[in-house]
Amino acid sequence: YVLTQPPSVSVAPGKTAVITCGGDNIENYSVHWYQKKPGQAPLLVIFYDSDRPSGIPERFSGSSSGNTATLTISRVEAGDEADYYCQVWSSSADHAVFGGGTQLTVL
Amino acid sequence: QVTLRESGPALVKPTQTLTLTCTFSGFSLNTSEMCVNWIRQPPGKALEWLARIDWDDDKYYSTSLRTRLTISKATSKNQVVLTVTNVDPVDTATYYCARSTVTYYNAMDVWGQGTTVTVSS
Repeated sequence: YVLTQPPSVSVAPGKTAVITCGGDNIENYSVHWYQKKPGQAPLLVIFYDSDRPSGIPERFSGSSSGNTATLTISRVEAGDEADYYCQVWSSSADHAVFGGGTQLTVL
Repeated sequence: QVTLRESGPALVKPTQTLTLTCTFSGFSLNTSEMCVNWIRQPPGKALEWLARIDWDDDKYYSTSLRTRLTISKATSKNQVVLTVTNVDPVDTATYYCARSTVTYYNAMDVWGQGTTVTVSS
């Protein structure tokens, strides 16, 4: 199972960033999103398509439909600059899959 | 508070076996639906999932690396061990362990800080 992400997304501070994750019938999977900053461990920001773990700002939201899952970051801040990865568990293959990652640049 | 910490050699020679240990606290792998995963990130590249072990000792492996990986747990020590055989310079990466739970759809909710491994002669 392959997850496809755009390599990069740029957004001005205060605007909305949209990061997509494409996969065959991805709406049938539980999609998770991770934020990865250099030198830091990945951080779970969205699980089960649209749920936020405790401590993650409401500015982070997720959705999934058809062949595309989406991570939306509202009112983007400089501190949101990072790589973002989508991930699913493929039950048919019994393994986890990560997307290739999207570098978010805050202009 | 749930924490995980990876440990292992910083430098390994090609063809050798790499052994990594994940020591965790704040949860038990005796508890139903708890799992521990290993993930790596080569320099400048994407995250790559490697393996997972569950509370009931079920094990899952990356398709591409299955023949070289072994994951095991020492429940009494709160440790999970990953071995990678016949390492190559392409195995140079930061290796992470992370907890996941079946309840939360196998999302990896807590990660260790990672341990960097270089494969070089």
